Amino acid sequence: GEDVEQSLFLSVREGDSSVINCTYTDSSSTYLYWYKQEPGAGLQLLTYIFSNMDMKQDQRLTVLLNKKDKHLSLRIADTQTGDSAIYFCAVKAAGNKLTFGGGTRVLVKP
Amino acid sequence: DAMVIQNPRYQVTQFGKPVTLSCSQTLNHNVMYWYQQKSSQAPKLLFHYYDKDFNNEADTPDNFQSRRPNTSFCFLDIRSPGLGDAAMYLCATQNEGSPYFGPGTRLTVL
Repeated sequence: GEDVEQSLFLSVREGDSSVINCTYTDSSSTYLYWYKQEPGAGLQLLTYIFSNMDMKQDQRLTVLLNKKDKHLSLRIADTQTGDSAIYFCAVKAAGNKLTFGGGTRVLVKP
Repeated sequence: DAMVIQNPRYQVTQFGKPVTLSCSQTLNHNVMYWYQQKSSQAPKLLFHYYDKDFNNEADTPDNFQSRRPNTSFCFLDIRSPGLGDAAMYLCATQNEGSPYFGPGTRLTVL
């Protein structure tokens, strides 16, 4: 089945850019998502990219997809303290099943 | 307005005492999912419905059951909760687009 991997932790200074990386194994993946989870809360959909796209930008968020390397990244420009959270990459292949990475904990330092 | 609603937000039960978690949606989505998320881990899919068609994950314990009486509602029944079932339970819905998650129910087993 699908395997999705993320680095565990990222520390960044307020105002800098954050880049969170994700790799996956199933080349038939169709949609790729980024979710944000704050402590004790559910998952908030941040953005997504379809597999026939290379890049998607949405305000401070930029998603890059390298299908050849099966690599997805999320860049957050001008990172704020409110961006401190766990970020999950999730990949959807055939069928309705969504497979999540283990999450990257982002800590924004003032 | 909330689109995916989970009740209760916090549930405490005793070891072995059956418990039911509720999810409702105002989106009229045909797919509904139940995920289990343990502390600092990725959400794990338990099962999902495509309309009334139930799809169980192979490694979901028999202790977990689900009901979907209509499009709007889906229930998660835990017949005999063990200490290892303490977790956040996340409901999500989807149509053609991205899965939307509810705020989750945190289950404590005493």
